[in-house]
Amino acid sequence: AQKVTQAQTEISVVEKEDVTLDCVYETRDTTYYLFWYKQPPSGELVFLIRRNSFDEQNEISGRYSWNFQKSTSSFNFTITASQVVDSAVYFCALSGAGGYQKVTFGIGTKLQVIP
Amino acid sequence: SAVISQKPSRDICQRGTSLTIQCQVDSQVTMMFWYRQQPGQSLTLIATANQGSEATYESGFVIDKFPISRPNLTFSTLTVSNMSPEDSSIYLCSVVQGQGSYTFGSGTRLTVV
Repeated sequence: AQKVTQAQTEISVVEKEDVTLDCVYETRDTTYYLFWYKQPPSGELVFLIRRNSFDEQNEISGRYSWNFQKSTSSFNFTITASQVVDSAVYFCALSGAGGYQKVTFGIGTKLQVIP
Repeated sequence: SAVISQKPSRDICQRGTSLTIQCQVDSQVTMMFWYRQQPGQSLTLIATANQGSEATYESGFVIDKFPISRPNLTFSTLTVSNMSPEDSSIYLCSVVQGQGSYTFGSGTRLTVV
């Protein structure tokens, strides 16, 4: 069975602070995908990143960066110089890589950036 | 990646009634997924819908409560039947194209009063 744990349910930071959202996963699959999604108050899911289990390179996209460590089964997400527009719920998710696999979501971390 | 049109975006319904949610995809996809997100909770898979066969439901979800249709490779509906306030949630459809390429609809925010 697959499981995604986001231990931080709510985080508040002051604007311009850096913040890291933690994600730990469990899977028996040798090949899998990891994701991060952003869900603003409007409710839609905004895709942020997909990472293949074979690719452990860290990735940076503007103020966003992701740290994938297979040894600790973690896929953490850092926002640098946070902005009010970053306020949202962030979901870490996991799917198997074979065929048509469902996505298993973590419980989400609600991030509030205070001006 | 696919583009999904999900309707309605939101609705307020009376308890005991039913609501049908539609998802139209701009390309043919084999599998569609339906998720539920209860207030303040994560997304939970309701069922997987393959064209031409019965949907496969996850534990805790039954066809009588959440009937799904999948008449072709670009369209699916989810009906929430005999609604109660506990059904108030966001419902999302999703498709997968290729390895790990998932697209989600914009969601239907349902309130049952």
